[in-house]
Amino acid sequence: DAGVIQSPRHEVTEMGQEVTLRCKPISGHDYLFWYRQTMMRGLELLIYFNNNVPIDDSGMPEDRFSAKMPNASFSTLKIQPSEPRDSAVYFCASRAGMRDEQYFGPGTRLTVT
Amino acid sequence: GDSVTQMEGPVTLSEEAFLTINCTYTATGYPSLFWYVQYPGEGLQLLLKATKADDKGSNKGFEATYRKETTSFHLEKGSVQVSDSAVYFCALLTGGGNKLTFGTGTQLKVEL
Repeated sequence: DAGVIQSPRHEVTEMGQEVTLRCKPISGHDYLFWYRQTMMRGLELLIYFNNNVPIDDSGMPEDRFSAKMPNASFSTLKIQPSEPRDSAVYFCASRAGMRDEQYFGPGTRLTVT
Repeated sequence: GDSVTQMEGPVTLSEEAFLTINCTYTATGYPSLFWYVQYPGEGLQLLLKATKADDKGSNKGFEATYRKETTSFHLEKGSVQVSDSAVYFCALLTGGGNKLTFGTGTQLKVEL
């Protein structure tokens, strides 16, 4: 299996620009999770989906952040407008049904200048 | 709320030394417990897990035992290698089995 795929791997943008991060979960996995990793706050769960439906978005920091999952094989996390404090590594993870292991993608390193 | 506390890093060891990374947790109910490893520039990989008290998870020479009485899940390895250098995260799973709570991570550096 190809594993969880994320793109881009690195993104550098200027403050105020829109940023879109992409994720393709492992085929057959029905849960998808978005995490943010920073030195200050560690790993934080932003939002997760089950069968393409957002279940818990309580970790989304502000209205500038939004996430969608239009189908079982694709999800996006969008930041608009971006700010320097959004600089972090963003991970996508997926999970199959009743199993408890989450499989992480390689992450997208976002730098907002 | 649920929380995980790990020992501060970095931990620096010589090759073939014994490793212990402490992890304690606070949770309602009976969580599942995990250790994840993150190699430089990569995502997290599941290293081992335990789902109930007294269970021992093991993988690649690493072990951890779910201790309910001390709410601990310490990671151990008898003989570390340079290739074990990474950041190790302890985590617990509650909330109906969907929300992982991570510790802050412990960086391990193994030197020749």
